Amino acid sequence: DSGVTQTPKHLITATGQRVTLRCSPRSGDLSVYWYQQSLDQGLQFLIQYYNGEERAKGNILERFSAQQFPDLHSELNLSSLELGDSALYFCASSVVTGTNTEAFFGQGTRLTVV
Amino acid sequence: DQQVKQNSPSLSVQEGRISILNCDYTNSMFDYFLWYKKYPAEGPTFLISISSIKDKNEDGRFTVFLNKSAKHLSLHIVPSQPGDSAVYFCAALDSGTYKYIFGTGTRLKVLA
Repeated sequence: DSGVTQTPKHLITATGQRVTLRCSPRSGDLSVYWYQQSLDQGLQFLIQYYNGEERAKGNILERFSAQQFPDLHSELNLSSLELGDSALYFCASSVVTGTNTEAFFGQGTRLTVV
Repeated sequence: DQQVKQNSPSLSVQEGRISILNCDYTNSMFDYFLWYKKYPAEGPTFLISISSIKDKNEDGRFTVFLNKSAKHLSLHIVPSQPGDSAVYFCAALDSGTYKYIFGTGTRLKVLA
């Protein structure tokens, strides 16, 4: 158990809908990262938050947004869903940002858009 | 542009032998490298890391080697066990942008 909790584990929704994925980081971790893995591909970086503020952004679509709340949990919002958004979405957390430390991953949310 | 590359999508090794997984990177500013293991339906699990000031780091059966001049790192697993069968991801920490950048993964199969 990495200590990072993601809910829900599975999500099936229709095209055009909006969903929210939730992540609780490890206790004490200030950084939260979101990654997307499509069809056994690599892990594509979406966005990172540090202590409530956006720190880095990857190839995140405009239809996607995220935030980190004062209690440090994070939510990834995906809207106007398309079939191609079907993927595994992983959240990771780390103690600090920009230093030599590892990130710990949650179990992921499998999103299926039908 | 793929800054971290794992050119071998898959690798099969006999139990007890050495598994060598390779990774190349393009950005000379990367200064921290990590290997993660991923089983199906699970999140990636941190395995081992290495700082750019070192050329080797060892943890039990796992050793990571870093060749900065070649921008290449490798993960050695000795001896390989069937439970090591998983997808292995190489990652680099870009301390300038605070991102962990991952390769596409290598699927290792250890044959009993």
